[in-house]
Amino acid sequence: GAGVSQTPSNKVTEKGKYVELRCDPISGHTALYWYRQSLGQGPEFLIYFQGTGAADDSGLPNDRFFAVRPEGSVSTLKIQRTERGDSAVYLCASSLGSGGGTDTQYFGPGTRLTVL
Amino acid sequence: AQTVTQSQPEMSVQEAETVTLSCTYDTSESDYYLFWYKQPPSRQMILVIRQEAYKQQNATENRFSVNFQKAAKSFSLKISDSQLGDAAMYFCAYRAASNFGNEKLTFGTGTRLTIIP
Repeated sequence: GAGVSQTPSNKVTEKGKYVELRCDPISGHTALYWYRQSLGQGPEFLIYFQGTGAADDSGLPNDRFFAVRPEGSVSTLKIQRTERGDSAVYLCASSLGSGGGTDTQYFGPGTRLTVL
Repeated sequence: AQTVTQSQPEMSVQEAETVTLSCTYDTSESDYYLFWYKQPPSRQMILVIRQEAYKQQNATENRFSVNFQKAAKSFSLKISDSQLGDAAMYFCAYRAASNFGNEKLTFGTGTRLTIIP
């Protein structure tokens, strides 16, 4: 596809369970970002990948959150021992990653996570 | 740390009229980028317009224009000839200019824009 895709679109889980959220960026984009958008708020930065490496994970709220991008394309956000406060829309964005300052981030439609 | 403030949780405008959405930000950087993103109910964030801080000229994109006041740290969005398709959440966002390729965005809390037919 031409845009950023995210699966699943919606995920309902029970407190304490483990979940994985997937992001498929635009082909050729080396930079990938995860954001979390809580109800009534703007997106908040979680983690940034340049290629396969997590260049900035300063936004991850705690060690229950982890993300990987093993081949420099698809990324998976993993949440262990989910809590009700993790309920939010998780957005993924990608960009060329040229570092020239003019890149545009293209967002996916997000995954709405609900923890019961 | 940079912060972005949108003080208007909701705005409404008559179709074909003009509306202005407000945004202020706080930063100690001299060079940065500012953005307005639109988020319709589909949840997908769509870039509306961007402004480089080093440019004095206000950015325009068709019916969308900004009023960038660097000294006041203000960045408002003007939508002219409002259309029903403009109805959405609008987010103001900030990005540092030089962060070794890390272009993470800092968003405001958004303004919900309603278009009245």
